[in-house]
Amino acid sequence: SAVISQKPSRDICQRGTSLTIQCQVDSQVTMMFWYRQQPGQSLTLIATANQGSEATYESGFVIDKFPISRPNLTFSTLTVSNMSPEDSSIYLCSVASDRGGEQYFGPGTRLTVT
Amino acid sequence: AQRVTQPEKLLSVFKGAPVELKCNYSYSGSPELFWYVQYSRQRLQLLLRHISRESIKGFTADLNKGETSFHLKKPFAQEEDSAMYYCALRGGFKTIFGAGTRLFVKA
Repeated sequence: SAVISQKPSRDICQRGTSLTIQCQVDSQVTMMFWYRQQPGQSLTLIATANQGSEATYESGFVIDKFPISRPNLTFSTLTVSNMSPEDSSIYLCSVASDRGGEQYFGPGTRLTVT
Repeated sequence: AQRVTQPEKLLSVFKGAPVELKCNYSYSGSPELFWYVQYSRQRLQLLLRHISRESIKGFTADLNKGETSFHLKKPFAQEEDSAMYYCALRGGFKTIFGAGTRLFVKA
């Protein structure tokens, strides 16, 4: 298994500003993902964070809005740029087991945009 | 296209009653199916996966390729089973999740 930590755990931000969320894993992992979980809804995959190359974004998500860094196999950041109230959500970092395919999740970052 | 459907947003049962959380999927290849659970104030965690065919906390799930279903079952629900349950499908390198079913087990 993998232990994942995220910072910050929560934040309240003004519209138009940006927030960078950090994800740290206690072991090297190949696959790292960022999800969004809006209030009362399921998890939506934002992107796959690739080490050493640009992230792979899902339909509806773009790099200008959600830039992602993955400098090594244990760390990634997600930035939510030019925030609006619609970005209020829980953002989850996740890694996939290289063997079994199951995923492990961080505790999430609860973002409120006012 | 990959899709996971959980038709029930909320399922309420009495303690000791059987419970079945429904999950249907759409995928063109051979999927890997999982059930994840999120207890109150805890992070999302894996409950079980179809490959292992195991029983975890009394829960089982059988993959039915003909009906494209992966329903989660438990013969006797316990109060501590109250949680949010997500069915998930892994195709390729990424996993998508159903909308989730909140299970509430009443005393």
